[in-house]
Amino acid sequence: AQKITQTQPGMFVQEKEAVTLDCTYDTSDPSYGLFWYKQPSSGEMIFLIYQGSYDQQNATEGRYSLNFQKARKSANLVISASQLGDSAMYFCAMRGGWNTGFQKLVFGTGTRLLVSP
Amino acid sequence: EAGVAQSPRYKIIEKRQSVAFWCNPISGHATLYWYQQILGQGPKLLIQFQNNGVVDDSQLPKDRFSAERLKGVDSTLKIQPAKLEDSAVYLCASSLDPLAGVPERDTQYFGPGTRLTVL
Repeated sequence: AQKITQTQPGMFVQEKEAVTLDCTYDTSDPSYGLFWYKQPSSGEMIFLIYQGSYDQQNATEGRYSLNFQKARKSANLVISASQLGDSAMYFCAMRGGWNTGFQKLVFGTGTRLLVSP
Repeated sequence: EAGVAQSPRYKIIEKRQSVAFWCNPISGHATLYWYQQILGQGPKLLIQFQNNGVVDDSQLPKDRFSAERLKGVDSTLKIQPAKLEDSAVYLCASSLDPLAGVPERDTQYFGPGTRLTVL
């Protein structure tokens, strides 16, 4: 079965600093995808970044980068130069392959990030 | 490009009443998902449609929940009768092509959600 673990219930960071949000996963599928979503207080889930299990390079999208360590089964999100608008819940999610329900997203419990001025 | 639309945004009902939620996916997206997000948890998939057929409804409480996507576009999720534990945010998402295996086509995009409170 697929499982996503986010061990940090809350994180604090000062504006303009970088922050790393942890995510570890477990799956028996050789092919899978890892996603990070942001959920502001308004409730909408906003797609941030994607990493495929066969991707050789770590994914980057603007200020977001994904530190993918396949052997450790970790997919940490790094936000550089934090902004006040980054305050939100952040969810790590995994899409399995054919063995575990292709296209089904399994989410972690989330990390609440608070950016202070 | 318009995003995923959901209505209503908020709903308060008493237990044993019925409620329905509506979702309109991004134009051209073949796959539609309904998730339930209980406070303090990540979203949990309830049902997945590919066009107007059900792909996965293994976690849908079928004794009280039902969903349909009649013309392969918009969808409704119904709860009848509601229980206190159904209080949650119900999120709809859509993706272009779930079998593509490339992020541009299989990433799921979410709507704003419907916050349901059952009293």
